[in-house]
Amino acid sequence: DGGITQSPKYLFRKEGQNVTLSCEQNLNHDAMYWYRQDPGQGLRLIYYSQIVNDFQKGDIAEGYSVSREKKESFPLTVTSAQKNPTAFYLCASSIDRQTQLFFGSGTQLSVL
Amino acid sequence: KQEVTQIPAALSVPEGENLVLNCSFTDSAIYNLQWFRQDPGKGLTSLLLIQSSQREQTSGRLNASLDKSSGRSTLYIAASQPGDSATYLCAVSDDYKLSFGAGTTVTVRA
Repeated sequence: DGGITQSPKYLFRKEGQNVTLSCEQNLNHDAMYWYRQDPGQGLRLIYYSQIVNDFQKGDIAEGYSVSREKKESFPLTVTSAQKNPTAFYLCASSIDRQTQLFFGSGTQLSVL
Repeated sequence: KQEVTQIPAALSVPEGENLVLNCSFTDSAIYNLQWFRQDPGKGLTSLLLIQSSQREQTSGRLNASLDKSSGRSTLYIAASQPGDSATYLCAVSDDYKLSFGAGTTVTVRA
């Protein structure tokens, strides 16, 4: 079954801790994205990657980091510098910028 | 900066009624526009994608129109069903970056 897998579904972060959200796709898509969703707001772009070993900052990259060492994987690290990390995080992929975006099922991150 | 607005924020209709959802955007220089559906606590499912050169797209009971010059798109859902209850989001593509509206939450009453 082709798709995007995000894990874990729920994640809790302690003060000063870095946490990593996993995103894996088997769709053979070149482009991958991380979005943050807050209640009542549209999705906001954190980082995107057009190709392996390359990624670009989105609108709200501060306090986050990513890597793209493999085509199928695009993990997101929420660092301790992100002071308001509680949100629903969505990973997505597409063949290129003119094609449909496919989303994972999301990770809910909360602060303890 | 691209701004995407969806009005109304919420909508409640009886089963069988046609749904009309609106999306407006400020910058007409877009690659495409996509409509998504989101169920509570879930990811987004792509419903329709309209390229900037197209005027509309249809899939089953769904029809989406695009008027790039006026910065508007409309999603029509014919003969609504309770299973159509969800939040519907539109997004416009500017290079690799999609700008999303906050969505319209639809409730279809049986």
